[in-house]
Amino acid sequence: DTGVSQDPRHKITKRGQNVTFRCDPISEHNRLYWYRQTLGQGPEFLTYFQNEAQLEKSRLLSDRFSAERPKGSFSTLEIQRTEQGDSAMYLCASSLQGARSSEVTGELFFGEGSRLTVL
Amino acid sequence: SQKIEQNSEALNIQEGKTATLTCNYTNYSPAYLQWYRQDPGRGPVFLLLIRENEKEKRKERLKVTFDTTLKQSLFHITASQPADSATYLCAHRYSSASKIIFGSGTRLSIRP
Repeated sequence: DTGVSQDPRHKITKRGQNVTFRCDPISEHNRLYWYRQTLGQGPEFLTYFQNEAQLEKSRLLSDRFSAERPKGSFSTLEIQRTEQGDSAMYLCASSLQGARSSEVTGELFFGEGSRLTVL
Repeated sequence: SQKIEQNSEALNIQEGKTATLTCNYTNYSPAYLQWYRQDPGRGPVFLLLIRENEKEKRKERLKVTFDTTLKQSLFHITASQPADSATYLCAHRYSSASKIIFGSGTRLSIRP
């Protein structure tokens, strides 16, 4: 399977614990996105990378959230001191970004998500 | 700030009819809009893209329009089938290099 993979698929943790999610994008994709989704809502933008550079981080995110993409391949999203409000589905997506808008559609390929439950 | 809105109410229609979903945007002109389908517990799947200089795009039973005057995109599914039941998400990109932002989605149910 050469799609986007996320690990773990499910994580149950106690409030105050740290959690880390991993995303392996499609190998030739240079863009990688993290989104958070709660029931009945659309994916909420968290952050995105172009290769290893983090281009933007949502202002809605507290300092407890951090993401890395150290070699421009896989990425990790860490949540420190988890709170019950962090319970959500964390989605990773990758895309191929060309130099010109006409080159590629920029469509996102999503993984199946990592569901976090904070007790 | 960039804002994209979809009708949050669920849409229920009879099989065989055309389903029409709406996506509105404010405060900017997106370079293009994308539409995705999401099934429960799964990640979204890309369906169609329409650029700001395009009026209409088609793919099989799907059609997307883009009206920059109304700041609106319409997503149509013709000859709808129960298998089309899902949540449909509109997403926009401000420029060819910027991040992609999603609307809240519209849940579509097709009854036999």
